[in-house]
Amino acid sequence: DADVTQTPRNRITKTGKRIMLECSQTKGHDRMYWYRQDPGLGLRLIYYSFDVKDINKGEISDGYSVSRQAQAKFSLSLESAIPNQTALYFCATSDPLTAGGNNEQFFGPGTRLTVL
Amino acid sequence: GQQLNQSPQSMFIQEGEDVSMNCTSSSIFNTWLWYKQDPGEGPVLLIALYKAGELTSNGRLTAQFGITRKDSFLNISASIPSDVGIYFCAGRKYGGSQGNLIFGKGTKLSVKP
Repeated sequence: DADVTQTPRNRITKTGKRIMLECSQTKGHDRMYWYRQDPGLGLRLIYYSFDVKDINKGEISDGYSVSRQAQAKFSLSLESAIPNQTALYFCATSDPLTAGGNNEQFFGPGTRLTVL
Repeated sequence: GQQLNQSPQSMFIQEGEDVSMNCTSSSIFNTWLWYKQDPGEGPVLLIALYKAGELTSNGRLTAQFGITRKDSFLNISASIPSDVGIYFCAGRKYGGSQGNLIFGKGTKLSVKP
């Protein structure tokens, strides 16, 4: 079974709709992240959370919100989707207490979101 | 914005050839990571580097943490078709926010059998 899962894997929606992307992990990691990937731009950080009560904005947080419902769950919401939010979205986890004490990140399989 | 320059953007090589790609920055990094992304999947960690000058191998892959702490390279020897994918460098800046990685824009590798 995958350690980091994302649902849905694909989603097509219309401009103005509210969308929630979900991420679950069984790795027991405290830290979770949401990234956006666009062709030619690599991965850009949207939000991150170091524990259940901690939420931090990343490089491109405008138009997005997150909720850390539990250690294992971190969801990303688009309150009113717009076409330029069409992208691949990845969730990742890390734990500074493992992997040599450094923050190597482990990624989910991604959600392909299309906003028409 | 992103602060890592990754090159080349893409490579088309023949099976069996060696591959080299690199990342540079004007900032000092204390961690360098190399990831590979297969089509339709999330990035997977290949190699992690933690010390300036460190040279680490993972099978046919070798990566080095530059001595100036501002660059890293990844070499793939004797490429095979399954090496196809996008390779990303990522780093954590010295003094940067804990856990935040900065990613390069990726090197897309194509291998002709």
